[in-house]
Amino acid sequence: ELKVEQNPLFLSMQEGKNYTIYCNYSTTSDRLYWYRQDPGKSLESLFVLLSNGAVKQEGRLMASLDTKARLSTLHITAAVHDLSATYFCAGRDRDDKIIFGKGTRLHILP
Amino acid sequence: IAGITQAPTSQILAAGRRMTLRCTQDMRHNAMYWYRQDLGLGLRLIHYSNTAGTTGKGEVPDGYSVSRANTDDFPLTLASAVPSQTSVYFCASSDSAGGITEAFFGQGTRLTVV
Repeated sequence: ELKVEQNPLFLSMQEGKNYTIYCNYSTTSDRLYWYRQDPGKSLESLFVLLSNGAVKQEGRLMASLDTKARLSTLHITAAVHDLSATYFCAGRDRDDKIIFGKGTRLHILP
Repeated sequence: IAGITQAPTSQILAAGRRMTLRCTQDMRHNAMYWYRQDLGLGLRLIHYSNTAGTTGKGEVPDGYSVSRANTDDFPLTLASAVPSQTSVYFCASSDSAGGITEAFFGQGTRLTVV
């Protein structure tokens, strides 16, 4: 059964700094997803990673996937306050269930 | 295009009562999901359906039931609500046969069982 673990679960950082959120998963997953959630809101899709070595970038966010290590990362470059949110990674298992990690609550200090 | 619509937006429910949360999508996605979100626990899958007529259990199915009579609708029923079912519930859908396949989410239903 697919398990997804994120770390850290909470991150407070200064504007302008770089940081990485890690997402480990336990079994084979043919898709890895990253989502963003603002307080009181629904989830918004950020990235879909389909294959080993996949890298996608949008603004200050970059996601990558290493299927051999069963690891995905979400890297934040020169953080700005607007990136404060909760970030989730999720994997799809062989039964097509989409399983989420517990989320990383990111707080960026001005 | 509405995407995914959930109803109600919020509800206060007496323990022991029956409640159905509604979810409708207009994207013709084959797969649909119900999650509950609790602080510190992330999103946990309750039930899912890969196609109309089929359903499956997720991580936390006890106390919940679903049906998938057609492609568009995926209601979630609490037969006899208990306070531990107080949560925010999200419905989602995806085109699992397509190349991208991420899930798209409804706006959520905030349920309080008292």
